[in-house]
Amino acid sequence: KQEVTQIPAALSVPEGENLVLNCSFTDSAIYNLQWFRQDPGKGLTSLLLIQSSQREQTSGRLNASLDKSSGRSTLYIAASQPGDSATYLCAAPNAGGTSYGKLTFGQGTILTVHP
Amino acid sequence: GAVVSQHPSWVICKSGTSVKIECRSLDFQATTMFWYRQFPKQSLMLMATSNEGSKATYEQGVEKDKFLINHASLTLSTLTVTSAHPEDSSFYICSASGMDLSEAFFGQGTRLTVV
Repeated sequence: KQEVTQIPAALSVPEGENLVLNCSFTDSAIYNLQWFRQDPGKGLTSLLLIQSSQREQTSGRLNASLDKSSGRSTLYIAASQPGDSATYLCAAPNAGGTSYGKLTFGQGTILTVHP
Repeated sequence: GAVVSQHPSWVICKSGTSVKIECRSLDFQATTMFWYRQFPKQSLMLMATSNEGSKATYEQGVEKDKFLINHASLTLSTLTVTSAHPEDSSFYICSASGMDLSEAFFGQGTRLTVV
């Protein structure tokens, strides 16, 4: 059974700081790993999808890395802004799954960036 | 990316009634759809997987007679919460995957409140 853990559970930083969110997963036989953003009371926004053959993906100020052998992924946010405040979720496919869509989510990191 | 539309975005119903939530893929054929729910301050948990034209597969602990899932076409899946109770109040969100897609795309979610 896939288990996904995210640390820290919450993070509060001043605007402009670079920060790292951590995700670990127990079953490393994954097709990909995905990072999402969720604003309060809202749905999911996909941020980055890293295929198993890749080691990292970048989109603007976001960079996600994947180390399958150690079962870890990190999301790096550069020059954080108040608009980055949200819950960040890491999701990995279920253990032994043959479907891309059966995901196990971590508990999330609640990020607050204050001006 | 592919677009998944979920309707309604929120619904309030009386205890004992049934509520239907729709999930549509707008620009691709969704061979598989997934239903998740998220209780307050918790992460998303997979409820069931449905393949077009087949019976849904439910995760352990999810009552299939209470959460009826229909995936009758390649663009539409529905989740019906039957005889809803206040403990069914939650955020329900669907995702959809197609044969040519390497990821699943999420709808906006439905906030269900049972009073």
